[in-house]
Amino acid sequence: KQEVTQIPAALSVPEGENLVLNCSFTDSAIYNLQWFRQDPGKGLTSLLLIQSSQREQTSGRLNASLDKSSGRSTLYIAASQPGDSATYLCAARTGANSKLTFGKGITLSVRP
Amino acid sequence: DTAVSQTPKYLVTQMGNDKSIKCEQNLGHDTMYWYKQDSKKFLKIMFSYNNKELIINETVPNRFSPKSPDKAHLNLHINSLELGDSAVYFCASSRMGSGETQYFGPGTRLLVL
Repeated sequence: KQEVTQIPAALSVPEGENLVLNCSFTDSAIYNLQWFRQDPGKGLTSLLLIQSSQREQTSGRLNASLDKSSGRSTLYIAASQPGDSATYLCAARTGANSKLTFGKGITLSVRP
Repeated sequence: DTAVSQTPKYLVTQMGNDKSIKCEQNLGHDTMYWYKQDSKKFLKIMFSYNNKELIINETVPNRFSPKSPDKAHLNLHINSLELGDSAVYFCASSRMGSGETQYFGPGTRLLVL
């Protein structure tokens, strides 16, 4: 049974800092892993999707990496801005048609 | 132009009532999902439908009954509401078999009094 863990639950950083959000999963036989952003009172927005054959994906200031052997993924945010404040969730999928298993998320606060 | 929409956005009701939440997607996807996000913000799959057929059914009380009249709609009906049903319910959609990203609706905030 896949379990996804995100630690810490909350993080506060000053604006401009580069930061790394961690995600770990128990079953290394994953199909893909996704990072989502959730703003307060809103739905989820997909940020990056990494297939099992990939090592990383980049979109603007965001870079997500995947290391299946160690059961870890990281989301790197460069030059953080107050607008990056949100909850970031990672989710692992073990097959093309299987469910997404979510972590509990990391609530990020970027201070001006 | 909303990709995945849910109604209502907020739902406040008494224990024991029956309520429905509707979801529609205009992305042409063939798979739709219902998730529950509890008070601790933990997001968990409830159901998944592909082409109107149930493909994922997690351990959910049978008071919850999803209905998919067509590929673009997946509604969630809840009978005999309980206090513990209070949560945010999210609908999502994707294309089956591609492992592509899921697109989420804005959520329905259900409060059972």
